[in-house]
Amino acid sequence: EAQVTQNPRYLITVTGKKLTVTCSQNMNHEYMSWYRQDPGLGLRQIYYSMNVEVTDKGDVPEGYKVSRKEKRNFPLILESPSPNQTSLYFCASSPRTSAGGYEQYFGPGTRLTVT
Amino acid sequence: SQKIEQNSEALNIQEGKTATLTCNYTNYSPAYLQWYRQDPGRGPVFLLLIRENEKEKRKERLKVTFDTTLKQSLFHITASQPADSATYLCALPKEGGSYIPTFGRGTSLIVHP
Repeated sequence: EAQVTQNPRYLITVTGKKLTVTCSQNMNHEYMSWYRQDPGLGLRQIYYSMNVEVTDKGDVPEGYKVSRKEKRNFPLILESPSPNQTSLYFCASSPRTSAGGYEQYFGPGTRLTVT
Repeated sequence: SQKIEQNSEALNIQEGKTATLTCNYTNYSPAYLQWYRQDPGRGPVFLLLIRENEKEKRKERLKVTFDTTLKQSLFHITASQPADSATYLCALPKEGGSYIPTFGRGTSLIVHP
């Protein structure tokens, strides 16, 4: 089944404790992104990657890191989480098409709470 | 800067009626516009894409229009059902034609039986 998977789905952690949220897709998509979703603010892009070893900042990159060493994986790293990073996080992937359009396939989400 | 506006108030309609949701944008002319459905606590699901040279696109009970003069897209669900209740998001590529999509905040649709 074509899908984007994220782990963990739920995480409660404490301020300053480094964590990684994994994201993997099995559709051979070139593009991958991370979003956070907060009430009243909608979906905001954190980082995106257009190919292996190619990453760039989205709208809210502060406090996050990413890497793209393999095409299928795009982990999100919080080196020193803070309470304002409590949010619902989504990973997404998208195929590169000649016509453009970039339909996005989203993962199931990771609900992160930082105390 | 680019802005996407969707009605923040929930739309309540009766089963069987047509739901119409609006997406307005400002400041530039996107090459396409997308609509997604999101259920509570779940990831958005892609529904339809319409390009700037298309006035209308249909898929089963869904219809999307794209008026580049008004800078507006309308999303219609005909013969609505309670199962259509969800939040609907529109998304545009960022100004400059880059890959990065920008999402509106979404409009909640509630279909009453």
